Amino acid sequence: DQQVKQNSPSLSVQEGRISILNCDYTNSMFDYFLWYKKYPAEGPTFLISISSIKDKNEDGRFTVFLNKSAKHLSLHIVPSQPGDSAVYFCAATEFGNEKLTFGTGTRLTIIP
Amino acid sequence: DAGVIQSPRHEVTEMGQEVTLRCKPISGHNSLFWYRQTMMRGLELLIYFNNNVPIDDSGMPEDRFSAKMPNASFSTLKIQPSEPRDSAVYFCASSLGTGNSPLHFGNGTRLTVT
Repeated sequence: DQQVKQNSPSLSVQEGRISILNCDYTNSMFDYFLWYKKYPAEGPTFLISISSIKDKNEDGRFTVFLNKSAKHLSLHIVPSQPGDSAVYFCAATEFGNEKLTFGTGTRLTIIP
Repeated sequence: DAGVIQSPRHEVTEMGQEVTLRCKPISGHNSLFWYRQTMMRGLELLIYFNNNVPIDDSGMPEDRFSAKMPNASFSTLKIQPSEPRDSAVYFCASSLGTGNSPLHFGNGTRLTVT
């Protein structure tokens, strides 16, 4: 039972344009969400997070949006750069709980 | 700090053999996690420890898998006997263990069981 779903295995975006990665979850108890970025042959690295008391969190070129009623979150990258090419994992948990549930990942390719 | 260190980076073994994966967490981190990555299921949590004590092992697939953390600077994940379906990338991660402190992952061990 996949509680966190990333339905797009891959996404290609032109350099300079906006990249939008999507994530859906089914567990109503989840109230803290994270995005991790993974390069080949490396472990995932933390990118940005959001708690359910907010609907938006911004960090430089990265913005995460949360729609609690739809159980949906998205990561926006503007403008997209070649170094953003990686696999992006969405993760969810209950606030204060260290046990993260990850999605299957979306491979983002930025086209120069 | 050198980050989370995992060894070996690659392991190729035959079905039925014992496999031991090793992890050294970041010094000062109180929580340690073992994850498995597959194409179909993404990153699955196998087990996690807090202050060297196993907290949740509900993700361990079956009795063939076992994990230990004898001290704050070392953990092992053992598979005995190994099977081809165990082939995956296994990640170790550590965190400060305070609420939602970010996980710091190692570079993983790619296991191939033939």
